[in-house]
Amino acid sequence: QVQMVQSGAEVKKPGASVKVSCKTSGYTFTNYRIHWVRQAPGQGLEWMGWINPNSGGTSYAQKFQGRVTMTRDTSIGTAYMEVSSLRSDETALYYCARDLGWGKFDYWGQGSLVTVSS
Amino acid sequence: QSAPTQPRSVSESPGQSVTISCTGTSSDVGGYNYVSWYQQHPGKAPKLMIYEVTKRPSGVPDRFSGSKSDNTASLTISGLQAEDEADYYCCSYTGNNWVFGGGTKVTVL
Repeated sequence: QVQMVQSGAEVKKPGASVKVSCKTSGYTFTNYRIHWVRQAPGQGLEWMGWINPNSGGTSYAQKFQGRVTMTRDTSIGTAYMEVSSLRSDETALYYCARDLGWGKFDYWGQGSLVTVSS
Repeated sequence: QSAPTQPRSVSESPGQSVTISCTGTSSDVGGYNYVSWYQQHPGKAPKLMIYEVTKRPSGVPDRFSGSKSDNTASLTISGLQAEDEADYYCCSYTGNNWVFGGGTKVTVL
């Protein structure tokens, strides 16, 4: 069965960086894009970007350009997302999601809570 | 890229129908037939309910249906049940990227 297991909670100071992982299993990792979506406490979903695990190609939402980097390790079926220069208002649950194609996000990770606080 | 607009909340009695709108622009909702809908219960990850405007994944009850007219996509829940109480988000393709709507809280009275 398809599983997407994310790394645990992190606490970071403003200005620091965080790297979140998303380990997949139960399907061929390189066949489907992975998207990253975040949700601040009590707020809505915000799309951040995607990575093509086959080619390593990426696309980021404009507001994250230059501060977000998505990578992958095909040998272990894991995708990563790093956010730099964190601000306190970026405390959020960060999700990874598999895209079957054209925005069909059928499997989601459990979310990784990133708390940004001084 | 601005988020498509959704009503903040809708409510209805069990057995009735509700329709949630997702209003964007010709650059997102109106420009492509790639609108999906997600249901999210408190403390849970989102769940895919509708994709490509009208298609329903296996396992999703046929009480859920999607449609689109011009720049507005809609999700209709017929025969509302208690377990349908949740937040619902639309998501639209924008040409290489994606954008979520602001979300709608559905309350079953």
